[in-house]
Order: sequence, then structure tokens, then C-alpha cells
Amino acid sequence: GESVGLHLPTLSVQEGDNSIINCAYSNSASDYFIWYKQESGKGPQFIIDIRSNMDKRQGQRVTVLLNKTVKHLSLQIAATQPGDSAVYFCAENPNTDKLIFGTGTRLQVFP
Amino acid sequence: KAGVTQTPRYLIKTRGQQVTLSCSPISGHRSVSWYQQTPGQGLQFLFEYFSETQRNKGNFPGRFSGRQFSNSRSEMNVSTLELGDSALYLCASSLVPGENIQYFGAGTRLSVL
Repeated sequence: GESVGLHLPTLSVQEGDNSIINCAYSNSASDYFIWYKQESGKGPQFIIDIRSNMDKRQGQRVTVLLNKTVKHLSLQIAATQPGDSAVYFCAENPNTDKLIFGTGTRLQVFP
Repeated sequence: KAGVTQTPRYLIKTRGQQVTLSCSPISGHRSVSWYQQTPGQGLQFLFEYFSETQRNKGNFPGRFSGRQFSNSRSEMNVSTLELGDSALYLCASSLVPGENIQYFGAGTRLSVL
């Protein structure tokens, strides 16, 4: 597959455990945040999003937490599965038409 | 419904050459954005097209250009290739501009030798 980041921070978790992927964003004016998952050889795929008027949003096995005070975003994946192995990107929209992406975190799930 | 299609998947070029990459958005999507993805810089926005017009442009030199056709298909062109242009080029589409959720293609891997 294609390597999207040779020097990405990596999180290794055991199958069945919960994963927490963190992201610090830069612009206090950002009012929208989104998480993407990128598997090897594929483009980024939307996972979940959150607006700045919320501090938590849940999806299927995923939860996004937003702490505007410290400009921090996290993605929690419950009962991590091998298919969750990928690079995860957060992105922010600082009230423009463009998303600004983070550099990504590689999640490795081992049996 | 077919997803975003990018062609070709892989390209090898030499310095000084030029290259054209193609993107077909999801049917009905009229906004197309292009990104460059490298290990060091992550995903960097190149430009966005809607109704055959460039709406937004990232901070890339003029060697990078694009266009959109009346059927919403888009191409991007890089002239006078440099080694640093080696990257994965991703295309994303959305129904209209400004939508935060974009749908990405698998990308074109460009290697410049």
C-alpha cells in the first residue's frame, strides 16, 4: 500500500481495547471539526464531525470530544478492530471555505 | 453510486516534464477540490473549482493549475516538475462549495525522478 506518512505519531492498541487519538488545532475561530480515516491505498474517508457549539458527539463505535479551552480534539474508538488500522486525520474549518488538516496519527491494531 | 475516480493511479515523470491528472467527481457533485499529500506536510489544499471557475486557491506556485469542465470533471496540471512535487494528489468532491464533508478519491501517486 501507499505510505501517507513515514514519520507519523503511531498509536498501537490491542484488538478489543478502546483507542483515543488526539489532535490539537490552531485557530480559536474554528467552528467546525471533522475526522477522516485513511486506509492504505485509499483516499480519506469521513468518520464523524462536530460543531463548536458542542463538546461531544457520538457515532457508531466512535465519539469525538472537543475542548475549546485548550483547542483540543479527540477521537475515541470503542472495541478497536483490525479494520480500524489506518491513518486518522483531524481537520478544522476556521470560518473559511477551506479545511485545514492535521498531519495525522497512525493507528495499529494488533491481535 | 460510483465514488470519486482519479486517473491515473500512478505516474512516474522526470524533472522538467509536465503532468496532467484527472478527477471525476461523484455524480451530481459540482465542487471539486485538489490536495497534495506528502509525509512531511500532510494534506495541503491546492485549489477548488465550481461551475468551471476556481473559487479558492492554496499557497502553491503558479506551476500548479487546474480546470473544471461543464460535466464537473476536473484536471490539474503541474508544469516544470521538481523532485519536491512527488506526492499523492487527492481529489475531493462535494455537492456545492463550502460543504465541510468532502468525498475523496484514492489519489494519484506522482513520482518525479
